[in-house]
Amino acid sequence: EDQVTQSPEALRLQEGESSSLNCSYTVSGLRGLFWYRQDPGKGPEFLFTLYSAGEEKEKERLKATLTKKESFLHITAPKPEDSATYLCAVQTGGSYIPTFGRGTSLIVHP
Amino acid sequence: GAGVSQSPSNKVTEKGKDVELRCDPISGHTALYWYRQRLGQGLEFLIYFQGNSAPDKSGLPSDRFSAERTGESVSTLTIQRTQQEDSAVYLCASSSHGTSGASDTQYFGPGTRLTVL
Repeated sequence: EDQVTQSPEALRLQEGESSSLNCSYTVSGLRGLFWYRQDPGKGPEFLFTLYSAGEEKEKERLKATLTKKESFLHITAPKPEDSATYLCAVQTGGSYIPTFGRGTSLIVHP
Repeated sequence: GAGVSQSPSNKVTEKGKDVELRCDPISGHTALYWYRQRLGQGLEFLIYFQGNSAPDKSGLPSDRFSAERTGESVSTLTIQRTQQEDSAVYLCASSSHGTSGASDTQYFGPGTRLTVL
């Protein structure tokens, strides 16, 4: 059974304090790994898709990386507006149904 | 272009009533998904459509839940005889499947918040 585990469950940072969120997975035949941001009361907002180990993608203060067992979402010099829940999902070649992690709730204090 | 839209944004109903939730996917997206998200919980897969057929409806929690899709456009999720445990946000997502992995990215709508009194 495909497993996706995100850690930590919750993270509090001071503005400007860089950190990383982790998404570890145990799947066979990874087709893609997705990162989303979800604000309270809203649907998940797509951030990145990664397809193969070694791949990296960046957007503003966010950088996503991928290895054969995990993905990291690095947040550099975060701002309060980066506060949200960050979701990771993986999709295997055998299914069109992605498996979602439970998310990391990030709070950035000014 | 326009993103995924859902209506209504909020729905309050009484226990035992039927409700219909609507999803308009991104134009041209062949795949459509419904999820449920209870307060403070993760995403729970309900059903997947490819075109107007549903090859995977394994996540529907009971026979009170059903969904249909017209062609490659609008989908409706119907919950009959609603119960209090049905209270949640119902999210719809669409994607464009193809041979390239890039087409599997799901784009979500804003959700419908359902409250069953």
